[in-house]
Amino acid sequence: DTEVTQTPKHLVMGMTNKKSLKCEQHMGHRAMYWYKQKAKKPPELMFVYSYEKLSINESVPSRFSPECPNSSLLNLHLHALQPEDSALYLCASSQDRMDYYGYTFGSGTRLTVV
Amino acid sequence: EDKVVQSPLSLVVHEGDTVTLNCSYEVTNFRSLLWYKQEKKAPTFLFMLTSSGIEKKSGRLSSILDKKELFSILNITATQTGDSAVYLCASVAGGIKAAGNKLTFGGGTRVLVKP
Repeated sequence: DTEVTQTPKHLVMGMTNKKSLKCEQHMGHRAMYWYKQKAKKPPELMFVYSYEKLSINESVPSRFSPECPNSSLLNLHLHALQPEDSALYLCASSQDRMDYYGYTFGSGTRLTVV
Repeated sequence: EDKVVQSPLSLVVHEGDTVTLNCSYEVTNFRSLLWYKQEKKAPTFLFMLTSSGIEKKSGRLSSILDKKELFSILNITATQTGDSAVYLCASVAGGIKAAGNKLTFGGGTRVLVKP
């Protein structure tokens, strides 16, 4: 299995809703990442998890809350989002934080906040 | 602050043409440069370049890194409509061990190949 699987593929949520994005990989990668990508812009790093521990938080608002329950799973919990948070959310994984060969992206969750 | 700049921003070519995409970088503790192709969703990995002057090839795509002049190019020969995509380059910079390496993306080049 050489894939990073993200669910759901699309999500529409209201500003008062709570939802979660899920990312899963079974490649034995120990680093996992969340990116946010706005239209016609490159991906922007949000969080890095290494060996299930949060190692980088790129000053992301607290309405985004990451969680890494085990080495294969990464969640992003969403609460009280704003319309400007609408974007493609990409998960990625790599062997570890120092190894970018084989850095694999998931297909993303397209989030719309209404 | 690390900086990666891609040019052109976009281009339109016809099938069979050759395209050359540029990626320049200003990065502290540079380690390597990555190229990705992004169609509708996930960026897909194309190349990782670490050594200067060594061309990497995959089918009609090739790429090379110049660590003296701080740039990389991605060539696509005999383009096909399926090559239409955004091409992203990203630099990998060595960070302190606790933080790990840092990936910085360029803005991308949007390529449209017309039949």
